[in-house]
Amino acid sequence: DGGITQSPKYLFRKEGQNVTLSCEQNLNHDAMYWYRQDPGQGLRLIYYSQIVNDFQKGDIAEGYSVSREKKESFPLTVTSAQKNPTAFYLCASSRAGTGEGYEQFFGPGTRLTVL
Amino acid sequence: AQSVAQPEDQVNVAEGNPLTVKCTYSVSGNPYLFWYVQYPNRGLQFLLKYITGDNLVKGSYGFEAEFNKSQTSFHLKKPSALVSDSALYFCAVRDSGGDTGRRALTFGSGTRLQVQP
Repeated sequence: DGGITQSPKYLFRKEGQNVTLSCEQNLNHDAMYWYRQDPGQGLRLIYYSQIVNDFQKGDIAEGYSVSREKKESFPLTVTSAQKNPTAFYLCASSRAGTGEGYEQFFGPGTRLTVL
Repeated sequence: AQSVAQPEDQVNVAEGNPLTVKCTYSVSGNPYLFWYVQYPNRGLQFLLKYITGDNLVKGSYGFEAEFNKSQTSFHLKKPSALVSDSALYFCAVRDSGGDTGRRALTFGSGTRLQVQP
């Protein structure tokens, strides 16, 4: 988990609330990613960013939003439009560039529960 | 499109025995393949990767994986399992020749490895 921090570790949300999950990295990586993990389903990509001020939707972006104003930070907002947000959220980062066999480094995760 | 299949939800092995965790993939070009391990309520830890070259890749904690292009497989192996190897293992793939806008990995659903003492 070294080099990437996620906060909070546990987060509880009431229905109808927006919440923001923090992700910070000090690895000087250009690329950052958000995944959602549900039991038995592996990791699904929500959003990713290859460079500051740019990001792309992943496979399950509906109900989520992100920003990438700084290289080190890639916060994820879970909006009230996300119908089933209870899950384990993982942030990752990697180098970016041509010939990209670069591995991703993961943070420790945030477990979000909707009350 | 790229995809990964891990056909076994769980693998059980006795400590000291060899272990294999299976992974098959599908990409349109050449694959970049990865194995990660996850302990309970933790993030994923990188084990090893195949980019090009030797089909047998060695990684962390004594794990290795064999790339087989004809069978589109990348099985994870270890000669002698430890109880501490018990965890959730994920295979991941990225198409090296895919859409340049899509750099993210596609992960399999995971295989739970249980090593009995």
